[in-house]
Amino acid sequence: AQSVSQHNHHVILSEAASLELGCNYSYGGTVNLFWYVQYPGQHLQLLLKYFSGDPLVKGIKGFEAEFIKSKFSFNLRKPSVQWSDTAEYFCAVITTSYSGAGSYQLTFGKGTKLSVIP
Amino acid sequence: KAGVTQTPRYLIKTRGQQVTLSCSPISGHRSVSWYQQTPGQGLQFLFEYFSETQRNKGNFPGRFSGRQFSNSRSEMNVSTLELGDSALYLCASSHNSGGAAYNEQFFGPGTRLTVL
Repeated sequence: AQSVSQHNHHVILSEAASLELGCNYSYGGTVNLFWYVQYPGQHLQLLLKYFSGDPLVKGIKGFEAEFIKSKFSFNLRKPSVQWSDTAEYFCAVITTSYSGAGSYQLTFGKGTKLSVIP
Repeated sequence: KAGVTQTPRYLIKTRGQQVTLSCSPISGHRSVSWYQQTPGQGLQFLFEYFSETQRNKGNFPGRFSGRQFSNSRSEMNVSTLELGDSALYLCASSHNSGGAAYNEQFFGPGTRLTVL
């Protein structure tokens, strides 16, 4: 079965520090990769996505991620975090349903809580 | 375009009861997926509906069921509630036509279910 691993459960950074959140997936076929963010009290929002092409993907709010196929990784980065980036971050992969019926199921990592100290 | 809406936003039930949650997808989206979010297990896929048919199902007991109507609105039902069913239930919709690139899922705010 497909799985997604996020290495850090909770990351604490000071403002202006650089951020890198790890994400590894296990799936041998074609993958589509996502990072979602959940701010306190808000719903899941898409930060960025990778379907094909340039493996360096830029998203909203200055976030970017790099897809490294050989390492099965899709790490999230931001050069300088702000207090407003405090949230929980989820890496997810779309895999095709085994039924082949065209159903695309998101498999999520367990999430990484980011706390940014002003 | 209005986003995905879910009702109710909060729900308190007792063990043994049943509950129905509702989801209205973004206009034009035909696929609706449901996820359960808990602190221990994270986000887990429940099932996905497309054109009123369940196409995919996660690893949940039969107490969890759902359906989709002709207008793409979806409901999920949990019967014989257990304490462990306390969770945030998220609905996501997608256009789901023409390949994976059209399958970005947009999430609703969720229904917070508490089972006492």
